[in-house]
Amino acid sequence: AQSVSQHNHHVILSEAASLELGCNYSYGGTVNLFWYVQYPGQHLQLLLKYFSGDPLVKGIKGFEAEFIKSKFSFNLRKPSVQWSDTAEYFCAVNSRGRGGSQGNLIFGKGTKLSVKP
Amino acid sequence: DTGVSQNPRHKITKRGQNVTFRCDPISEHNRLYWYRQTLGQGPEFLTYFQNEAQLEKSRLLSDRFSAERPKGSFSTLEIQRTEQGDSAMYLCASSLGTGDTQYFGPGTRLTVL
Repeated sequence: AQSVSQHNHHVILSEAASLELGCNYSYGGTVNLFWYVQYPGQHLQLLLKYFSGDPLVKGIKGFEAEFIKSKFSFNLRKPSVQWSDTAEYFCAVNSRGRGGSQGNLIFGKGTKLSVKP
Repeated sequence: DTGVSQNPRHKITKRGQNVTFRCDPISEHNRLYWYRQTLGQGPEFLTYFQNEAQLEKSRLLSDRFSAERPKGSFSTLEIQRTEQGDSAMYLCASSLGTGDTQYFGPGTRLTVL
């Protein structure tokens, strides 16, 4: 069965620090990969996605993620975090079978990011 | 606002009661998904629709759960004979088609006393 692992449950950083959140998935086939963010009191929003092509994808608000197929990883990075990045971050995957993409997303447990001003 | 909407936002019920939630997807989105999220976990897939057809159901969706999407527009999720373990945030998402980005609604928080 597919699964997604996020290594850190809670990360605390000071403003301007660099961020890297780990995400690993287990699935032998081709996948689509996503990072979603949930700001306090708001609903899940897409941060960035990878379907194919350049494994380094850029998203909103200066975030980027790199797909490393050999490591089954899709880590999220930001060179300099801001207080407004305080949120919960979820990595998600759905599989691409012969008939195209499967419907459901498999999510990791999430990583809470707290940025101290 | 043309995003995904869900009603009610909060529901408190007593064990054994039935509850129904509604989701209105982004217009023209063919796919509609239901997820459940409990504290400390990511969303877990429950079921999804392609237009009015329910294409897949998770093993999490017990017989007490039923979902419909009449006419391929809004969807309802009903839980019969609620149990305390059903307490969770129920999320709805929609997408234009297969493999496209899923856009999430604000969720309905269910508390079963």
